Parts: sequence; C-alpha cells; structure tokens
Amino acid sequence: QKEVEQNSGPLSVPEGAIASLNCTYSDRGSQSFFWYRQYSGKSPELIMFIYSNGDKEDGRFTAQLNKASQYVSLLIRDSQPSDSATYLCAVNDRGSTLGRLYFGRGTQLTVWP
Amino acid sequence: NAGVTQTPKFRILKIGQSMTLQCTQDMNHNYMYWYRQDPGMGLKLIYYSVGAGITDKGEVPNGYNVSRSTTEDFPLRLELAAPSQTSVYFCASSPGTGDFGTEAFFGQGTRLTVV
Repeated sequence: QKEVEQNSGPLSVPEGAIASLNCTYSDRGSQSFFWYRQYSGKSPELIMFIYSNGDKEDGRFTAQLNKASQYVSLLIRDSQPSDSATYLCAVNDRGSTLGRLYFGRGTQLTVWP
Repeated sequence: NAGVTQTPKFRILKIGQSMTLQCTQDMNHNYMYWYRQDPGMGLKLIYYSVGAGITDKGEVPNGYNVSRSTTEDFPLRLELAAPSQTSVYFCASSPGTGDFGTEAFFGQGTRLTVV
C-alpha cells in the first residue's frame, strides 16, 4: 500500500504571509507529484505538478521536490483569502499500477485578512 | 468542451437499493478513475480503467462494480447500498502516463447518502 502523508493542519496564516504545505510519500519509485486545490463542496483542481528534484515556480506557487528524502512541498507566497481551501498532495507511479494517483488526506489552509 | 460530467449531483438511497453513477468525458482520455472522499479524508481510489474494455480495482473496490465499453463512459454501479457508502464520489480522467504521468481532471462530484 503506497502512503502519502500530509501535515495534518489546519494551517492558518495572515494575508500576505507564506503558507508552507508538506507531503511525504512511501514509494521510492514514484515519478510525478501533483498539488490539487479543493474548495469546500467542489472538486479538486490541479495547481502544480513536478517531476524533477528542485523547485518549480508558477506565479505565487512554488513546488519543491526532494526524491532522496521522499518529500514534496508547496509554498504559497503573498497568501490571499481566496487561497483558503484544502490542498491535496497526489503521487503517480510508473510501476505495475500505471496511471494510479495516490492522494494524501489534505491540509486545510485558512488565510485571514 | 464539457470535460468530465457526472450525474446525478445528489442522491439519497435506502439501504439495500442499487444505483449507477454516470460519468462521461469528451477529452478522448484513455484513463478514467472513480474516487470516493469521506469527510476530512483524502481521495480513495475505487476502480480505474486504462482504456475501453480494461478495468482494475483500486484501494476500496468492495461493494462497487464498473464497466468501460467506450472511451467516453465509465459508470460506477453500487449494489446493495450500505450506510458505509455514504460519501462524495468523484470521477476523473487523464490522457495517459507518458513518461512521468499526467494530471487528472475531475468531474463535479456526486454526493450520495445511504439511509
């Protein structure tokens, strides 16, 4: 059973601060990593994906991947109240279970004005 | 381009009843998935399909069945509904794994209550 663990939260930050969301995974063979945002009562939507070690930036979002430590994180700079949502980490592997995505439980983020 | 469409959006079932959750996608994606999400929990994979005629079990398949007769459609069948199947169900699709996998696109969800 592949495990994806996220910091339990909830996480609360003031507007303008940096929010840091963390995720660890159990399978060293995992190849690709995704961050989804889910607003209450809505479906998940992809905000970032990363395949290679290091940082990947997209606007206010930065994904960081360290395969040796089996760790992936998401930083949200200049957090806005509209960023308040649950963030789901997902891991995709290329083993016998091609195409399967494993999700963590999610971290609930609240950005207060 | 509608993406992934699920019906119904809400449903209340009595214990022992059966129903089919419909899912269709118009993106010509090979991969399709059914997930359930319980309150405060992440998404658990029920079944998935890598193409028409090919399906496989996920993490929590008991009490469910699927079929994939076309690329577009991937219905989820609940037989003999139980209160433990009260959940939000998401259908998703993705174009395929390529070298590193690709992201999944989700439908709007079906909120099912079994009483």
